[in-house]
Amino acid sequence: AIQMTQSPSSLSASVGDRVTITCRASQGIRNDLGWYQQRPGKAPKLLINAASTLLSGVPSRFSGSGSGTDFTLTISSLQPEDSATYYCLQDFNYPLTFGGGTKVEI
Amino acid sequence: EVQLLESGGGLVQPGGSLRLSCAASGFTFRNYAMSWVRQAPGKGLEWVSGITGSGDGTYYADSVKGRFTISRDNSKSTLYLQMNSLRAEDTAMYWCILSGHWGQGTLVSVSS
Repeated sequence: AIQMTQSPSSLSASVGDRVTITCRASQGIRNDLGWYQQRPGKAPKLLINAASTLLSGVPSRFSGSGSGTDFTLTISSLQPEDSATYYCLQDFNYPLTFGGGTKVEI
Repeated sequence: EVQLLESGGGLVQPGGSLRLSCAASGFTFRNYAMSWVRQAPGKGLEWVSGITGSGDGTYYADSVKGRFTISRDNSKSTLYLQMNSLRAEDTAMYWCILSGHWGQGTLVSVSS
């Protein structure tokens, strides 16, 4: 199974900060990666798919990049409502695998 | 609009069984692979099982292989997860997912 190593596991930042979260795959997964945001008590919400495609309605301060084994989620200017846990998910092949999550505190 | 509605969760004793269902609408169900994902209390997300659109391909996480069975009824636009030999560590919220769309989840608690 492909392992997804996500870092950091948590971070604390201030409003307006630029935040970067990374996921590294144990083998190449092309760009078959999504980024999810999960607020407490809620289902995860897909922010970005195909590594860099922002879903409709997602604020433009979110962006994704990468291909192959290394991927990045960037929040360009952190807002209070971005306080959440973020996960990457590879859907290159089965079994699908999530990263361990990054808890973002503001 | 894609809608996914899970049901079937509840409290069950260790060793027991449950069948989860996911009623889908808003898209051509038979054309899409579906998955089940779970999250234990205070833990991260774990993909559990997936199935192809036709149902002829099924996939499982090692943690549930041999105990859980995924299936679908394309005539009813419904996804299922039969869970047998349940363990305390299967306690979690379970969601069915389709390409980034998630239901509201159904809670499974395994306890004596």
